[in-house]
Amino acid sequence: DGGITQSPKYLFRKEGQNVTLSCEQNLNHDAMYWYRQDPGQGLRLIYYSQIVNDFQKGDIAEGYSVSREKKESFPLTVTSAQKNPTAFYLCASSIGGRREGYTFGSGTRLTVV
Amino acid sequence: SQKIEQNSEALNIQEGKTATLTCNYTNYSPAYLQWYRQDPGRGPVFLLLIRENEKEKRKERLKVTFDTTLKQSLFHITASQPADSATYLCALQRGTGFQKLVFGTGTRLLVSP
Repeated sequence: DGGITQSPKYLFRKEGQNVTLSCEQNLNHDAMYWYRQDPGQGLRLIYYSQIVNDFQKGDIAEGYSVSREKKESFPLTVTSAQKNPTAFYLCASSIGGRREGYTFGSGTRLTVV
Repeated sequence: SQKIEQNSEALNIQEGKTATLTCNYTNYSPAYLQWYRQDPGRGPVFLLLIRENEKEKRKERLKVTFDTTLKQSLFHITASQPADSATYLCALQRGTGFQKLVFGTGTRLLVSP
């Protein structure tokens, strides 16, 4: 079955540590996205990529980095510069260039310990 | 700044009744509006997309309206069931070029037997 796989489901990070969240899709979608969800707030866009080897900052990119070396993969690194990284992170994809629903992964819950 | 408002209080209804959720927006002219369902600890699941030139769209027990004059969308679930209990998110998107999807905070629906 086609879909988006995020791993790990739970991640614990120590202060000052970088961590990388994985996102893989087998939907052949061109566009991929990373959102952050905090209680009482809507999903906020961190980074997005319309095509391989290209990505743009979203609304809250500070303290995060991404890469898009393969169409299927869009990993997100939460760096030590991110002051409040504890959140639920969601990866999504879409065909791109058309208005349609996004397909989301099941999320990664990151906690700073 | 643009704002998307969904009722932050949970909506409690009895099984069999129609649930109606509201999405209001300001300082925004979306061409497309989407509704998603999100269960606790999971990623959102796309339900329906409606375009600005469509007044209403239906899918099984779901109905969405889009009033660009009132800047409002209504999401209805008829003959609601306990399995419909979840958080429902609305999301807006402009029409030209590559436009990011902007999400509301969601409304939690609780359907009791």
